[in-house]
Amino acid sequence: GQSLEQPSEVTAVEGAIVQINCTYQTSGFYGLSWYQQHDGGAPTFLSYNALDGLEETGRFSSFLSRSDSYGYLLLQELQMKDSASYFCAVDNNAGNMLTFGGGTRLMVKP
Amino acid sequence: DAGVIQSPRHEVTEMGQEVTLRCKPISGHNSLFWYRQTMMRGLELLIYFNNNVPIDDSGMPEDRFSAKMPNASFSTLKIQPSEPRDSAVYFCASSPHSNQPQHFGDGTRLSIL
Repeated sequence: GQSLEQPSEVTAVEGAIVQINCTYQTSGFYGLSWYQQHDGGAPTFLSYNALDGLEETGRFSSFLSRSDSYGYLLLQELQMKDSASYFCAVDNNAGNMLTFGGGTRLMVKP
Repeated sequence: DAGVIQSPRHEVTEMGQEVTLRCKPISGHNSLFWYRQTMMRGLELLIYFNNNVPIDDSGMPEDRFSAKMPNASFSTLKIQPSEPRDSAVYFCASSPHSNQPQHFGDGTRLSIL
């Protein structure tokens, strides 16, 4: 089966940097995705890593180490609007079927 | 461009009733997914279609749940009969093809009394 572990909650202040970790155990692995979900909203895609290394998209970056079955999402220059839940998700077959982690609730304080 | 469109946005019904949730994927997307989200179980994949064909329905919880995709622009998720434990937010998502980001609809918030 598949399992993903990520912290349930993280708190940080505006302007700071926060890292949300994700470790996974899956029977197959094609890539690791990150999605953001605001309260009452829909998940929205942030980033995808298929290969080891860092992917940067503006204030957000995502890292993957396949050998360690580990990845993280890095959020820089935090803004209040970044308060949301962040989900890592493993794509464990070529059909883009995703298994989601339990989500990390990020609270950004002034 | 219009995103994934789901209806209804909210549904409240009594247990035992049939519930039908609807989804219109983004035009040109070949893959469609149905998810269920609850506090206890998180975001779970129920079923996945590719080119209108169900590929994997291992996440469908029981025979009371069924899903169809009669054409490329429409899918339904049906629960019959519904039970209070089916209360959740149901999301539909689509993607252009494999290994592409999934685009989620706004979800249907379902409450079974």
